[in-house]
Amino acid sequence: DIQMTQSPSSLSASVGDTVIITCRASQGISNYLAWFQQKPGKAPKSLIYAASSLQHEVSSKFRGSGSGTDFTLTITSLQPDDFATYYCQQYGTYPFTFGPGTKVDMK
Amino acid sequence: QVQLVQSGAEVKKPGSSVKVSCKASGGSFSNYAISWVRQAPGQGLEWMGGIIPVSGTPNYAQKFQGRVTITADESTSTTYMEMSSLKSDDTAMYYCTRGTKFAESPYYWGQGTLVTVSS
Repeated sequence: DIQMTQSPSSLSASVGDTVIITCRASQGISNYLAWFQQKPGKAPKSLIYAASSLQHEVSSKFRGSGSGTDFTLTITSLQPDDFATYYCQQYGTYPFTFGPGTKVDMK
Repeated sequence: QVQLVQSGAEVKKPGSSVKVSCKASGGSFSNYAISWVRQAPGQGLEWMGGIIPVSGTPNYAQKFQGRVTITADESTSTTYMEMSSLKSDDTAMYYCTRGTKFAESPYYWGQGTLVTVSS
C-alpha cells in the first residue's frame, strides 16, 4: 500500500497568514492527489484534485502543487473559516490512502 | 445534483455485523465508483474500499479484506457496506463517497452513518 505522510501534524497561524502543508507519498503517484478540508462534526470537503486543480466553487486562496511523491497545499490570507483539519489522499493506486491530517488552528 | 443518502445510526454488539446503505440520486450511478471512508472519534480518515457498480468488482484496503463486503444494486442506485465481527474500535462515522468525471477522489459525500459497537 502507498503510505501518505503530512507535515506538520498541526500548526498555529493568525488571520491573514499564508500556510503551507506538505504531503508525501511513499512511491510515485503522478498527480493523483487530492486535498480535503474538514471541520468538526462535518463531512470533509474536497478542495483540490489532480494535485493542482481547484474543485468547483472552491476559493482560489487554496493552491495545490507537486507531482510524483511530493505535494503541497498553500492557503493564502487565512480567514477564520479556514481553521480546520486538512487531509491529502492518493487515488492513483488501490487502496486509496489518506494522510494523517494537519490541524490548522488560531494562534 | 448528486446526492448520497445513507441509512441511520446503528448500535451493535461486539462480534455482530452491520450493513450500511448509501442511495445515490442525480447523475449516473453505474459508471462512478462509490468508496467507503470511515473516521473513528477524534481520528483521521480511513479509506475502506470501493466499487464501480457497472463492474461489480470491489477493491478493499488490506485491513478490511475478509471482514468488509461492498456491493452495489444498480436497480435501486444503492451501494452497501457490510462489516462483520465488529469490535469496539470499529466505532466510527462511516461515509460513502463518489468522485466526478474529473477524478475518482471523493467529491460527493453522504451525511455519514454512526456505528457504535458496545456491549
